[in-house]
Amino acid sequence: EAGVAQSPRYKIIEKRQSVAFWCNPISGHATLYWYQQILGQGPKLLIQFQNNGVVDDSQLPKDRFSAERLKGVDSTLKIQPAKLEDSAVYLCASSRPDTSNTEAFFGQGTRLTVV
Amino acid sequence: QQPVQSPQAVILREGEDAVINCSSSKALYSVHWYRQKHGEAPVFLMILLKGGEQKGHEKISASFNEKKQQSSLYLTASQLSYSGTYFCGTETVDRDDKIIFGKGTRLHILP
Repeated sequence: EAGVAQSPRYKIIEKRQSVAFWCNPISGHATLYWYQQILGQGPKLLIQFQNNGVVDDSQLPKDRFSAERLKGVDSTLKIQPAKLEDSAVYLCASSRPDTSNTEAFFGQGTRLTVV
Repeated sequence: QQPVQSPQAVILREGEDAVINCSSSKALYSVHWYRQKHGEAPVFLMILLKGGEQKGHEKISASFNEKKQQSSLYLTASQLSYSGTYFCGTETVDRDDKIIFGKGTRLHILP
């Protein structure tokens, strides 16, 4: 099966600009996650969707970050305006939760550099 | 709450064994183990579920002590390809499908 697709792979922007990332999860996966991974750290959950509804966005800086998952399939994550500390890899993952496990499959990520 | 991993980093010679630990302050439903190589996405290794179990994957195995909310990843007779950063991700008994990752353990295998 096709994996989680993300684009772009790399993005360099100046601070205060806006940027958007796109994710297409594995077909049939109801749960979609956006993680932020700063260099040398573990992935930090930003937002979790179940179909097109938000399950958890407690760690999402809502003053500048937004995400949507229209039609319960692909998703976009936006940052506006970007700050230097937003430089990180943004990972999208998806899973098909059932009664036993929630193995998450990750995309290649988008490496964002804010200068 | 973020699980705590130890050690932060390990350097081994090829063929040696390693143990990576993951602990949580919350009651866990599952523990997930991932390996991430530099510049790549995390790759799933295995999941352990509540009930206390042990799993194996080639020379990589793991255990889950439900009572202690701890999991350990065992790498035996390590190979150069095992180098990378290992993350544990935990899901609490709330079953909200939310996976929270630890800070990772960097493993470097020397020839």
